[in-house]
Amino acid sequence: DGGITQSPKYLFRKEGQNVTLSCEQNLNHDAMYWYRQDPGQGLRLIYYSQIVNDFQKGDIAEGYSVSREKKESFPLTVTSAQKNPTAFYLCASRRTASDLSEQYFGPGTRLTVT
Amino acid sequence: ILNVEQSPQSLHVQEGDSTNFTCSFPSSNFYALHWYRWETAKSPEALFVMTLNGDEKKKGRISATLNTKEGYSYLYIKGSQPEDSATYLCAFIHSGNTGKLIFGQGTTLQVKP
Repeated sequence: DGGITQSPKYLFRKEGQNVTLSCEQNLNHDAMYWYRQDPGQGLRLIYYSQIVNDFQKGDIAEGYSVSREKKESFPLTVTSAQKNPTAFYLCASRRTASDLSEQYFGPGTRLTVT
Repeated sequence: ILNVEQSPQSLHVQEGDSTNFTCSFPSSNFYALHWYRWETAKSPEALFVMTLNGDEKKKGRISATLNTKEGYSYLYIKGSQPEDSATYLCAFIHSGNTGKLIFGQGTTLQVKP
């Protein structure tokens, strides 16, 4: 089955630690995205990648970093510089960044930092 | 900053009622508008990709219309069922950056049996 996997589903970390969220897709999509959702808010874009070895900051990139070394993988690192890291994180992909295709979403990772 | 607004924020209807909600977006440099449905404990799934002014799309009891000149899209649900309970998200794509989707805050629909 083609799709997007995110692991783990729940993640707990102590304040001050960096943590990396995994996102893998086997849809052969060029574009990949990371969003954050907080209660009462919509999806806010953290980073996106239109093609391998390229990525761009979204609207709330501060305190986050990404890499796109392989087409199928787009891991997100939440660094200790992120002031409010506790949130629900969604990864998505899209066939290309320039066509009219829809986004496909993973199941999400809920990160709790205490 | 490009703004996408959805209204109402939440909606409670009885089973069998028809309902509609709105997505407002910038009326210039339009490229596309997406609608997604996000059910609890699931991932968001695409409902419609809309591109042309006057577009009307339908999937079962759900339909959507698009007015790019005035910057709005309506989503209609005819004869709501409990399984329609979900958050409905719209996402605007600007022609100057087609790689980026700008999401509204969503409309959460609760259908009571």
